[in-house]
Amino acid sequence: GQNIDQPTEMTATEGAIVQINCTYQTSGFNGLFWYQQHAGEAPTFLSYNVLDGLEEKGRFSSFLSRSKGYSYLLLKELQMKDSASYLCAPSDSNYQLIWGAGTKLIIKP
Amino acid sequence: GAVVSQHPSWVICKSGTSVKIECRSLDFQATTMFWYRQFPKQSLMLMATSNEGSKATYEQGVEKDKFLINHASLTLSTLTVTSAHPEDSSFYICSARDLLAGEVNEQFFGPGTRLTVL
Repeated sequence: GQNIDQPTEMTATEGAIVQINCTYQTSGFNGLFWYQQHAGEAPTFLSYNVLDGLEEKGRFSSFLSRSKGYSYLLLKELQMKDSASYLCAPSDSNYQLIWGAGTKLIIKP
Repeated sequence: GAVVSQHPSWVICKSGTSVKIECRSLDFQATTMFWYRQFPKQSLMLMATSNEGSKATYEQGVEKDKFLINHASLTLSTLTVTSAHPEDSSFYICSARDLLAGEVNEQFFGPGTRLTVL
C-alpha cells in the first residue's frame, strides 16, 4: 500500500532551526513535494525533489533519499509566520500525489 | 505565474440544494485538474481527477452522481455538489497541473471553497 509517515505536531522557537521528517511508501516514485498549509487556506508549494540530495531555497531546504524512502524539510531562522502545517507528498507511478495528514508546526516567541 | 482561482470562496446553502464550484487556471493550460476535500484537522482527500474533454476519474467511495465534475476546457473545471446535506460541509480545493510542466508534475492549488450546508 501507499503510506506517509510524519510527526503530527512539532514546536520550535522563533529564530531557531527545525527539521520535519517524512518516510513514505508508494507504488512507483516520481518525485516528492513539500507544501505549506496555513489553517483555513489551500496548500502552497515549497519544494520538489526527484534526485537524492539536498535542495536549498532560501530559508527552506529539502532532502531526499529514494533508497530509504525518506525526506526532510529544514526550516532555518524560524519566523512566527512559519506556524503552519507542512505536507510531505510523494508522487506515485501515475504522477498522483499521495497525501498524509501533515505536521503541524507551532512557533513560540 | 501558475495561478489557480476558485469561485466562490465560501458558500452557505440549505440542505437539498445544489452548489457549483468553479476552478480556473488563469495563466496556464491545465490538462489535468484535481478536486480535493478537507475536513478540519484532517489530510487532503482526493475526490477525483479531471482531464479536459473526458470523464473524471473518481476515487473509491466518492459518489460520481453526487459530485458532478465537468472539465470543458484547458482552463476550467467545475464541481457540482448535488442535493447537498450537512455532512457535505467541508473545504473543497482544486488544483491544476501545467501542460508544459514536463517532468515536474507540480500541482498548483486554488484558494479553496468553504461549503456550509445548513
